[in-house]
Parts: sequence; C-alpha cells; structure tokens
Amino acid sequence: GENVEQHPSTLSVQEGDSAVIKCTYSDSASNYFPWYKQELGKRPQLIIDIRSNVGEKKDQRIAVTLNKTAKHFSLHITETQPEDSAVYFCAASYGFGNEKLTFGTGTRLTIIP
Amino acid sequence: GAVVSQHPSRVICKSGTSVKIECRSLDFQATTMFWYRQFPKQSLMLMATSNEGSKATYEQGVEKDKFLINHASLTLSTLTVTSAHPEDSSFYICSAVTGGNTIYFGEGSWLTVV
Repeated sequence: GENVEQHPSTLSVQEGDSAVIKCTYSDSASNYFPWYKQELGKRPQLIIDIRSNVGEKKDQRIAVTLNKTAKHFSLHITETQPEDSAVYFCAASYGFGNEKLTFGTGTRLTIIP
Repeated sequence: GAVVSQHPSRVICKSGTSVKIECRSLDFQATTMFWYRQFPKQSLMLMATSNEGSKATYEQGVEKDKFLINHASLTLSTLTVTSAHPEDSSFYICSAVTGGNTIYFGEGSWLTVV
C-alpha cells in the first residue's frame, strides 16, 4: 500500500516569512495529492490539491509543487500570518473514484508574531 | 457546497458497551464513504472503506468484528464500535466522495470510553 512521509514535524516561522513542508510517497500509481489544515478537534480543511498531470498549482499565498519522478510534493506558504498556525497534513490517493487517502504524519506550523 | 454530517460529535460510553456513529451526506449521494481514526497528536489513519449495498473493506490491522460498518443507503454509513475499551478512545471521522470525485469530511466524533 501507499506510504506517505512528511517533514518537518514542527516548523516555526517568523510572521511574513515563507514556510515549506515536504512529503514523499511510495506508490507511483497515486495521482491525487491534497493538503489539509486541521485545527484541534476539527475536520481537516482542504487548502490546496494537485493531480499528477500538473507540476505546480498556486492559490494566492499557497502553492503546491509535485515531482512525479522523485515522488515528492511540497506545500509553500508565503507571507505567513498568525492565522496560518495549525497542523498541516499532506495526503495521497489513487483518485478518480478511489479517494481513500493515505495521510502524512503532520506538521505543526507556528507563526511567530 | 456539499455537506457531510456526523453524529454524535461527542460520546462517552462505558467499557464493554457498543456505540454507533453516523455519517450522512446531506445533499449528495455517496456510494463510497471512508472511516478514519485519529489519536491525539497523530495523523488520520484509514480504518475502512464503506461501500453502499456491500461489505466494507477494512485496512490491515483493523478488526472488522469490532468496528462494524453498515452502508445501507446512498446517504448514510454507520460505524459501530463494539465492546469498546479505553484504548478505542479517539477522534473518528468519515469522508464521502461526490460524483465529481470531491472529498468531503464529516465534523468528526470524539469517543471516550471510561
């Protein structure tokens, strides 16, 4: 089955700086890679996703890059704000009707004012 | 947008009893739903895939006789934790997939076994 590794487990960034979280996956058949933000005790909130036919996707301050050859993908948050503080999870799935997700181990991001 | 609702949001049960958690897709039909478990400060781990009208598919290491899943309609899947023990205390969360392959999560259910 799929295995997703995520680094770092914790990340502290000065407000206004950029944050980068990286994930690697093991199954080359995976083709859907979402990123979630989760507040304590809440459902995961999708912040951005990418499918394997795309190398990069951007939505305002958030971007995701995918390297299929190396089987890794990264989340980039620019101009960080205090409200970006949360736990972030990457995930991978086969997609297209088989959307069971294998999650990474999570990154606790803290934005320092 | 599509909504997935879970009930109850919090439940406390005595050790040895069973507890049922419901997952409903409120405005779309979902032939497939997924159940995840999340222990404190850990990631979400897939427990099983719930298929409408057929048996659930369990992930390796998940006891199918302990975690009973029923997906009797296109809008409802239930997870029953049987003979619950304190180590089953966790955050249980479901997801459902729309026809457009969009994933929506329920609000989650906190289970505490005392």
